[in-house]
Amino acid sequence: AQSVTQPDIHITVSEGASLELRCNYSYGATPYLFWYVQSPGQGLQLLLKYFSGDTLVQGIKGFEAEFKRSQSSFNLRKPSVHWSDAAEYFCAVGEGTGANNLFFGTGTRLTVIP
Amino acid sequence: EAQVTQNPRYLITVTGKKLTVTCSQNMNHEYMSWYRQDPGLGLRQIYYSMNVEVTDKGDVPEGYKVSRKEKRNFPLILESPSPNQTSLYFCASSLSPWDPRGYEQYFGPGTRLTVT
Repeated sequence: AQSVTQPDIHITVSEGASLELRCNYSYGATPYLFWYVQSPGQGLQLLLKYFSGDTLVQGIKGFEAEFKRSQSSFNLRKPSVHWSDAAEYFCAVGEGTGANNLFFGTGTRLTVIP
Repeated sequence: EAQVTQNPRYLITVTGKKLTVTCSQNMNHEYMSWYRQDPGLGLRQIYYSMNVEVTDKGDVPEGYKVSRKEKRNFPLILESPSPNQTSLYFCASSLSPWDPRGYEQYFGPGTRLTVT
């Protein structure tokens, strides 16, 4: 069965520090990979996506993610975190065809300290 | 502005009192879906709709109903709410359910439901 694992429930970083949020998935073929962000009191917003091609993808708000097939990972990174990045981040995996086949990880909550 | 709207945003109700949470999108999207979000469980799909009059169960459909009579609207109905349906609910939509664009889902702001 497919699964998406975000091993870190909560991460705290200082403003200006770098950030890496981990995501691992289990799926036989190359899935479609996504990161969504949920700011407090808001719905989820798509940060970036990977469908094929270059394994390093750029997203909005200065985020990037790298697909590593050998590790079944799609980690999210940002070189310098801003206080406004405090939010919950969800990795998601789409497999096969059909928008209903989108599976979410349990999320990582990011706290940014001054 | 392209958006998904949900109403109400907050709702406190009692066990057994029927309620409806509305969802509407203005992007002419074919696909719509309902999720519930619970701590430690992430988002779980309740029901989805590939197009008008086409709906199907997601991972946690028990206790919920949906309908899709118009393309833009996808209400979630709780016929007899119970405390275990206390949760944060999200409606989402996407352009096409049959290709990867369908995974780029646009989410509403959420409805926080408390059932006492």
